[in-house]
Amino acid sequence: QKEVEQNSGPLSVPEGAIASLNCTYSDRGSQSFFWYRQYSGKSPELIMSIYSNGDKEDGRFTAQLNKASQYVSLLIRDSQPSDSATYLCAVNIGGTYKYIFGTGTRLKVLA
Amino acid sequence: EAGVVQSPRYKIIEKKQPVAFWCNPISGHNTLYWYLQNLGQGPELLIRYENEEAVDDSQLPKDRFSAERLKGVDSTLKIQPAELGDSAVYLCASSPDGKNIQYFGAGTRLSVL
Repeated sequence: QKEVEQNSGPLSVPEGAIASLNCTYSDRGSQSFFWYRQYSGKSPELIMSIYSNGDKEDGRFTAQLNKASQYVSLLIRDSQPSDSATYLCAVNIGGTYKYIFGTGTRLKVLA
Repeated sequence: EAGVVQSPRYKIIEKKQPVAFWCNPISGHNTLYWYLQNLGQGPELLIRYENEEAVDDSQLPKDRFSAERLKGVDSTLKIQPAELGDSAVYLCASSPDGKNIQYFGAGTRLSVL
């Protein structure tokens, strides 16, 4: 079983700060990486995808990928209380459309 | 455009009873996934369909779980008989052909008493 690991948290940051969420994966053949946000009692919602090494920015969100280190991260700038949720990292298996999810990191943004 | 629709939203049954979940994917999405999500965990794949073909059911407990996707559109997931440990949220997701994007339904929360 391929693994995706995340710190379960909770990660607490003050409003306006940068939240940094991390994810490591074991399958070197993985090519696609995703961050989902899941509010309590709701379904996962895709917020970022990244396929190449380096950074990808979308508004307040930046995804970072380092395939050599098998590491993907999500930065949330100017964190807001509405960002409080669980963030799930998902990785595809090899070149397939099968995805393995991490356990998620619970983020709390304190007003 | 309507999203992925799942029903029912909630289901409470006694152990050993059967239960079925229904999913209607986004129109035109050929790939359909069923996931199980336990509290505090990420979604775990149960089965993946490409059109009406189950291309990955390696993690589906086939002694009690079954699924079908007739005509490559709607899908049902069945558990018979249900066990206490089956209490979880069952999520359905769909993807457009060849795309690495999954859209999730609201899920069905199952409680087995």
